[in-house]
Amino acid sequence: KAGVTQTPRYLIKTRGQQVTLSCSPISGHRSVSWYQQTPGQGLQFLFEYFSETQRNKGNFPGRFSGRQFSNSRSEMNVSTLELGDSALYLCASSFLQGFGETQYFGPGTRLLVL
Amino acid sequence: GENVEQHPSTLSVQEGDSAVIKCTYSDSASNYFPWYKQELGKRPQLIIDIRSNVGEKKDQRIAVTLNKTAKHFSLHITETQPEDSAVYFCAAEGNTPLVFGKGTRLSVIA
Repeated sequence: KAGVTQTPRYLIKTRGQQVTLSCSPISGHRSVSWYQQTPGQGLQFLFEYFSETQRNKGNFPGRFSGRQFSNSRSEMNVSTLELGDSALYLCASSFLQGFGETQYFGPGTRLLVL
Repeated sequence: GENVEQHPSTLSVQEGDSAVIKCTYSDSASNYFPWYKQELGKRPQLIIDIRSNVGEKKDQRIAVTLNKTAKHFSLHITETQPEDSAVYFCAAEGNTPLVFGKGTRLSVIA
């Protein structure tokens, strides 16, 4: 099976702009989670989607949002970008929703905010 | 909420030696503990995981132990090789989504 894919792989934006990142899960996987990875904070959970519904949300401001489509593909959006949003954004998919499900990561989208 | 502490932050070993990375967690409800390996510029990859009904799990040169009473779990890599050099993350999940440790940068010196 093909792995988790993310587009774009690299992105440069300026403060105040917005950005949309895309994630395609492993075929058959219905749960998609998003994480932000930075050198200082490590890997932090953003949100999880299952069957087009947000099931869990991390401690991030409302500028961070997401959605999931009927084919399980997911997008996350960051509005009014700040310098501190520069990070590697990773999505991970799992077969089912729920704790204890093995998650498989995509290659990430590296976002640089200038 | 859950808090995961990981030690050490950096670890250097000679090729062939063993490496041990330790993590502690705070939420006694946590029952799933995966370990991920992330090479430079690549995605985190699951290398082994353990659930709370098991105390130890082994996969070739990699083993994980779990002490639920003390709320800590450890990754053991034996006969280390240069390709084991990477950042390793532990994580815990129970009533909350995965919470990751800050990572351990392992360097295996040939």
